[in-house]
Amino acid sequence: KAGVTQTPRYLIKTRGQQVTLSCSPISGHRSVSWYQQTPGQGLQFLFEYFSETQRNKGNFPGRFSGRQFSNSRSEMNVSTLELGDSALYLCASSLGRQGASGSPLHFGNGTRLTVT
Amino acid sequence: AQSVAQPEDQVNVAEGNPLTVKCTYSVSGNPYLFWYVQYPNRGLQFLLKYITGDNLVKGSYGFEAEFNKSQTSFHLKKPSALVSDSALYFCAVRGPNNNAGNMLTFGGGTRLMVKP
Repeated sequence: KAGVTQTPRYLIKTRGQQVTLSCSPISGHRSVSWYQQTPGQGLQFLFEYFSETQRNKGNFPGRFSGRQFSNSRSEMNVSTLELGDSALYLCASSLGRQGASGSPLHFGNGTRLTVT
Repeated sequence: AQSVAQPEDQVNVAEGNPLTVKCTYSVSGNPYLFWYVQYPNRGLQFLLKYITGDNLVKGSYGFEAEFNKSQTSFHLKKPSALVSDSALYFCAVRGPNNNAGNMLTFGGGTRLMVKP
């Protein structure tokens, strides 16, 4: 079974631009979550989607948004990029929502975004 | 709000010796606790979880973790370390409420170095 696929793997953008990251979950997984990983702040929750609905959102500005499609694939968008948005963005999928099913998160290898 | 503390930035252990990576947590209600491992340039891999039941949880690659409610700890252990166990380890807690789903709060990570 293929794992979580994130594209692109690396991305370089300029301040003020916008970017879209893509995530394809493991087949059959309906929940997709996004996390930001930086050396200074560590791993921080961005948002979670389940059945095309955003279920939870972390403490990030409105420039960060996402969506989930009917096939469970997800995209996240960051508008008006800032230098501080440079990070590894990790997508994770799960059969269900951990609170209900206890199923673990399966992470992709991430998209490394560099903002210059 | 929930929080996770990993008091050691790095743990050094000789191959064949037992290892412990420490984690303490703070969460209201019953904790859902997780350990993940990250290898260089990769996403996180699930090791084990505590939801309910036995305080000693067994996971992947010979790892286990001991849940201690009175000390609010969830330390990761392995009886005999391998060089290939060298990686970054993250403890996480699900929260803050029953609708938290896949919203995890991660500790800052502990780098495990196993020397031959």
